[in-house]
Amino acid sequence: EVQLVESGGGLVQPGGSLRLSCAVSGFTFSSYWMTWVRQAPGKGLEWVANIKDDGSEEYYVDSVRGRFTISRDNARNSLYLQMNSLRAEDTAVFYCARILAYCSGTTCGGEAFDVWGQGTMVTVSS
Amino acid sequence: ETVLTQSPDTLSLSPGERATLSCRASQSVSSNYLAWYQQKPGQAPRLLIYGASSRATGIPDRFRGSGSGTDFTLTISRLEPEDFAVYYCQRYGGSPTNTFGQGTKLEIK
Repeated sequence: EVQLVESGGGLVQPGGSLRLSCAVSGFTFSSYWMTWVRQAPGKGLEWVANIKDDGSEEYYVDSVRGRFTISRDNARNSLYLQMNSLRAEDTAVFYCARILAYCSGTTCGGEAFDVWGQGTMVTVSS
Repeated sequence: ETVLTQSPDTLSLSPGERATLSCRASQSVSSNYLAWYQQKPGQAPRLLIYGASSRATGIPDRFRGSGSGTDFTLTISRLEPEDFAVYYCQRYGGSPTNTFGQGTKLEIK
């Protein structure tokens, strides 16, 4: 069974740090790009970061670039999100997800998120 | 930056009816790199449609995606009780970057 399980969420003060983990099973982790997506309470979805299958490329939404770092350990089938300088507006449920790379017509390169974890809550408050 | 606007914000329908959800992009979506997700309360999103019209694995054929350029539609042909949820569209913009719409809540009338 394909499964993603996040952990590491909790309550942290503004300016603090937190490291989220995502344990993966049921598929060849090292063959897939992975992503983090967050959802503030009562709000919509926001893409946070992507990492290439071999960990050699990382991409971030502007609002977290320089504060968050996505990484992975393919030997441990694990994805991580190191979050520093946390702000109140970072309060959200954080989901890890697998990226489905697909072709549309004759062009390849699309991304969709086809397997998701259950999410872990991060609350930034004093 | 491309913005995705979904309409309506809330759609009230009865089981058995047809639902039509819209997603409009502020700029043309390259190669129709558009996906749709369903999210129920307390659950993670579920991928329904990718590439504007391809159903994801295990998705019933009552879900249909269509559109191109800046206008995309998710149609649910006959609503089942389990279809009442929030639906999001998502655009892949290269670089890579990803953008979600604000969501449409499909509620029971």
